[in-house]
Amino acid sequence: DQQVKQNSPSLSVQEGRISILNCDYTNSMFDYFLWYKKYPAEGPTFLISISSIKDKNEDGRFTVFLNKSAKHLSLHIVPSQPGDSAVYFCAASHSGNTPLVFGKGTRLSVIA
Amino acid sequence: DAGVIQSPRHEVTEMGQEVTLRCKPISGHNSLFWYRQTMMRGLELLIYFNNNVPIDDSGMPEDRFSAKMPNASFSTLKIQPSEPRDSAVYFCASRPYNEQFFGPGTRLTVL
Repeated sequence: DQQVKQNSPSLSVQEGRISILNCDYTNSMFDYFLWYKKYPAEGPTFLISISSIKDKNEDGRFTVFLNKSAKHLSLHIVPSQPGDSAVYFCAASHSGNTPLVFGKGTRLSVIA
Repeated sequence: DAGVIQSPRHEVTEMGQEVTLRCKPISGHNSLFWYRQTMMRGLELLIYFNNNVPIDDSGMPEDRFSAKMPNASFSTLKIQPSEPRDSAVYFCASRPYNEQFFGPGTRLTVL
């Protein structure tokens, strides 16, 4: 039973446009959410996070939105750049002391 | 800081052989995690340690898999005997709090 779901395996976006990556979760105990970015032959690297007490967190071109009632979060990248092409993983945890549960990832391709 | 270090980066072995993957976490991080990445299942948690003590190994697929953390700076994941379906990328991660820091992974191929 997948607790964190990324239903789009891939996404293709034009350079300069907005990329929106979506994530849904089922466990209402989750209170901390993260996005990781992964390039080929490298480990995932932390990108941005959000606590359940917030509904938005912004860091430069990256913004994460959290809708607790819908158990949904999204990552917005604007403007998208070719270097953003990677696999993006959504992750969640609760109480800050449990392992992260990951989605299967979405492969983003930003086309120049 | 060197980050999480994993070795080897690539391992090719034959079915039935023993495989040992190694991980050195970031100094000062008190939690260590072993994940496996496959196309079908994404990133699966195999086992994690807090302060060198195994907390949850429910993700370990079979008794063929075992993991140890003899001290705060070293952990191993062993597969004995290995099977072709074990082929995957194995990641080690460590963390002080919420955010986990990943190593570069070991790509295992079992022929």
